[in-house]
Amino acid sequence: DQQVKQNSPSLSVQEGRISILNCDYTNSMFDYFLWYKKYPAEGPTFLISISSIKDKNEDGRFTVFLNKSAKHLSLHIVPSQPGDSAVYFCAASDLYGGSQGNLIFGKGTKLSVKP
Amino acid sequence: ETGVTQSPTHLIKTRGQQVTLRCSSQSGHNTVSWYQQALGQGPQFIFQYYREEENGRGNFPPRFSGLQFPNYSSELNVNALELDDSALYLCASSSRLPGAGELFFGEGSRLTVL
Repeated sequence: DQQVKQNSPSLSVQEGRISILNCDYTNSMFDYFLWYKKYPAEGPTFLISISSIKDKNEDGRFTVFLNKSAKHLSLHIVPSQPGDSAVYFCAASDLYGGSQGNLIFGKGTKLSVKP
Repeated sequence: ETGVTQSPTHLIKTRGQQVTLRCSSQSGHNTVSWYQQALGQGPQFIFQYYREEENGRGNFPPRFSGLQFPNYSSELNVNALELDDSALYLCASSSRLPGAGELFFGEGSRLTVL
């Protein structure tokens, strides 16, 4: 059973508009969440993270929102740029798994930003 | 600053063979994790090494084994290859000890088992 779910395999957005990528999780013990971006033929690149003690974290054009009661987080990209086109992975860890380096990844959402 | 490098980038093996994948950690990092990414899936945790010892392991059989060397480089060994082992194998290093947090990934080694 998947503990981290990204239910949208793909998302297409116009340049300059907002991209919203969603992620749901089932394990209430998760306390740290991350987003990674992956271009073809490259490894995933860390984008932004959020601890469960916060509900929002912002870094430039990227903002992650965490709703613990709904077990849901989202990544907002504003404004979207063609270079943002990539696969975005949501990942999570709990205190025990995190101490072992165990990140649980979703299947990813492929974002296409059209000029 | 040198990033995470992996070798080989692509390789083809036949069922039953053994394979060794190599990884050089990012400079200053002392923790290395290995992940398997099957087609259409997210990366799945295999194990992590810290100070040359296995620090954590995911749901993978014992035929998946690893090593970490004093210079923090690492190897992933897979014995008795099966068709389902075909995947992208990602190495990631970190300076946090020990823990997941922000991982720095290499480009991966794509293994095809025929």
